[in-house]
Amino acid sequence: GQNIDQPTEMTATEGAIVQINCTYQTSGFNGLFWYQQHAGEAPTFLSYNVLDGLEEKGRFSSFLSRSKGYSYLLLKELQMKDSASYLCAVMDSNYQLIWGAGTKLIIKP
Amino acid sequence: GAVVSQHPSWVICKSGTSVKIECRSLDFQATTMFWYRQFPKQSLMLMATSNEGSKATYEQGVEKDKFLINHASLTLSTLTVTSAHPEDSSFYICSATPGDRDSYEQYFGPGTRLTVT
Repeated sequence: GQNIDQPTEMTATEGAIVQINCTYQTSGFNGLFWYQQHAGEAPTFLSYNVLDGLEEKGRFSSFLSRSKGYSYLLLKELQMKDSASYLCAVMDSNYQLIWGAGTKLIIKP
Repeated sequence: GAVVSQHPSWVICKSGTSVKIECRSLDFQATTMFWYRQFPKQSLMLMATSNEGSKATYEQGVEKDKFLINHASLTLSTLTVTSAHPEDSSFYICSATPGDRDSYEQYFGPGTRLTVT
């Protein structure tokens, strides 16, 4: 079956760095997405990785290793507004998105 | 660019009635639109995938006669919850992708919160 695993909840301190991991097993691979979702709102796109390596976009970076079925989202200089759920999703061979359950990130002052 | 709207943003209806939710891609043509449901503190659950001009593909466990999806144009898809019951109360979110395979990103609408009393 297809499976996406990410931690349920993480806590970090304002100004610090946090890494959210995601491992996957899917039927084929056409890229991995990270989305941010604040409570009561729809997800917003953060990043897309289809090749191995690190993609940096401001305070957020995303890493992919296809051979290991592994990705992480790195958030630097954490701000209170970064408190949200972070969803990992993999696009399979049918171009369908397989969603992880999301990681709730709690930022403390 | 790549804006998706949903209407209404929230709706309260009585048990047994039907509710229609619209999803529009405002500045691009969406060959494919997706409908998700999200219960509190849970992840997104894909309900169905709709392609313009063809019947929607429903995920296992989703009743196609209860959740009617119509993707009549490249910019509009509708989800009708028929004979709604309190257990249908949820956050319904649509997303859309452009037609070309070079852009895989799904652009999400703001969601519709449905409460069935």
